[in-house]
Amino acid sequence: AQSVTQLDSHVSVSEGTPVLLRCNYSSSYSPSLFWYVQHPNKGLQLLLKYTSAATLVKGINGFEAEFKKSETSFHLTKPSAHMSDAAEYFCVVSERSGNTPLVFGKGTRLSVIA
Amino acid sequence: TAGITQAPTSQILAAGRSMTLRCTQDMRHNAMYWYRQDLGLGLRLIHYSNTAGTTGKGEVPDGYSVSRANTDDFPLTLASAVPSQTSVYFCASSDGGDSPYNEQFFGPGTRLTVL
Repeated sequence: AQSVTQLDSHVSVSEGTPVLLRCNYSSSYSPSLFWYVQHPNKGLQLLLKYTSAATLVKGINGFEAEFKKSETSFHLTKPSAHMSDAAEYFCVVSERSGNTPLVFGKGTRLSVIA
Repeated sequence: TAGITQAPTSQILAAGRSMTLRCTQDMRHNAMYWYRQDLGLGLRLIHYSNTAGTTGKGEVPDGYSVSRANTDDFPLTLASAVPSQTSVYFCASSDGGDSPYNEQFFGPGTRLTVL
């Protein structure tokens, strides 16, 4: 069975500084991995996804994530935070074998300080 | 394109009452899902449907039922609501059906309070 751990429940950065949101996963098979973002009182929007193509995945709004199989990690980064990046971020894993649904991490709340 | 719509946006419900949360998608996706979101717990899967006419149980199915009579609609019913079902409910869909690695698209959510 797959699982995902987001290592920080809350991350606070200053505007213009780098963002790092950490995610580790566990999967019996080759996983697909996603990052979703949720702005306050909104639904979830896909930021990026890894499905066994390039290990460095680029997403929307300048975010990217690197799949590291040896470390079972899929950390989300952005070189320079904007105020509009303040939101909840979810790391999600799915096994690509069988009809197993997505498994969500508990989320990391990103605060951006002016 | 509307994508996924959910109704109602929010609801206050007395304990013991029944309620159906509605979800409709216009993307002709095979698979649909219901999640609940609770503070500190992320999203947890309640029920899912890989295709019209089939449903399956997720992580937290107790107290909820679903049906999938057609491709577009996936209602979630609480037969007798309890306060622990106070949550924000999200409906989602994906094109994958048997391919769970496809992106899921989410509705705007229904905020339910059970008193």
